Parts: sequence; structure tokens; C-alpha cells
Amino acid sequence: GENVGLHLPTLSVQEGDNSIINCAYSNSASDYFIWYKQESGKGPQFIIDIRSNMDKRQGQRVTVLLNKTVKHLSLQIAATQPGDSAVYFCADPRRALTFGSGTRLQVQP
Amino acid sequence: EPEVTQTPSHQVTQMGQEVILRCVPISNHLYFYWYRQILGQKVEFLVSFYNNEISEKSEIFDDQFSVERPDGSNFTLKIRSTKLEDSAMYFCASTGQDSNQPQHFGDGTRLSIL
Repeated sequence: GENVGLHLPTLSVQEGDNSIINCAYSNSASDYFIWYKQESGKGPQFIIDIRSNMDKRQGQRVTVLLNKTVKHLSLQIAATQPGDSAVYFCADPRRALTFGSGTRLQVQP
Repeated sequence: EPEVTQTPSHQVTQMGQEVILRCVPISNHLYFYWYRQILGQKVEFLVSFYNNEISEKSEIFDDQFSVERPDGSNFTLKIRSTKLEDSAMYFCASTGQDSNQPQHFGDGTRLSIL
């Protein structure tokens, strides 16, 4: 099946810094990607999505970049806050979600 | 904002017993999903359901598992004869008119098999 994976298992940043979480995918036919955030004891929560006709999409404090040439996604979080501490997944939602293993973001006060 | 709700939040069951996990998807959604997450591991797809039938299932979803939409609001996952390795968080999700949209997740049911 599709392989959606993440480069780093844990990312530790200082409060107020920007965070960048990376994700690679292998299926060149993938045309839609979603970033989810999962806090401890909760279900995944939608953050932002991007379709393959775009290479950048911005939300509130978050930006997703898509590089189709190298099959790479990144999630950038500006001015990271303690409430951003969670595990972040990228996912390919075609028919059913394929999750990567996740990157745990730890925000140091 | 509409939510996916799951009950119970924690279910403890003896090995070999049947268990039913319940979900109420968002009311106008048409696509429904179950996932599981073993402690410390990634979220794994189990099954998707549309138009009153299974549209896709993973190899985890064997004959011990079944899903049902018994009425207009509930979506259930049944495990017939539970095993110790079924212990996990089970998440229900739904999406709207098009499956190629973000899925909305419930907060899960923690299933503990003794």
C-alpha cells in the first residue's frame, strides 16, 4: 500500500520558535494530503490540508509546503506554543487514511 | 462545531467475550471509518463504510470484526471473541459528501482485554 512516513520521531523546540515537521510519501499518484495533530488521550484532529495543484497553503500559524518533485511535505508552525505539544501525522486520505508513525513535538517553556 | 462521539470511553472485557464499540458520526456525513491505535504505535486503518456496506477493509479486519449502522445515527464495531492483542484505542471517524476530505475523529474508546 501507500507509504507515508516521517523523518523524525521527536522534535523539541523552545516556546516562541518556529517548528518544522517533515513527511515523505512514495506514491506519485497521491494528490491530497492532510496534517493531523493528536494530543494525549484524544483522537487525531485536522490541522490543514493541501491538494497537489498547490505547493503551499497557509492557515492560522501553520503552513504546509508540498514538493511533488521529491515527494515531500512539511508542516511549519509559527511561534510554537506549549499547546502545540502533540504528535503530528501526515496522511493520504484517498479512500482510507494511511498514517505515518508521527512526530512528537515537545515545546519547552 | 459538530463532533463524532464514541461510547464508552473505556471498555474492560474478558478475553473471549464479545464487545461492541459505539460511535455517532456527524449527522450529515456519509462515509464512516474505524481505526485502532495500539499503545505507543501509529493509527491503523480497519474499515471504511459507505452506503450501508463495507467499501474497504484492512488485513487487521478479519472475521472476528464486523460493522453495522443499525439506525440513522449509530455506527458500531463488534469484536466477536476478543483476544489480548485487541487491547487498543479504537477511533471512529466520518467524512461528508466526498471521501476525499478531512476525516473527523472521535476521542476513541480504550479497549482493555483481560
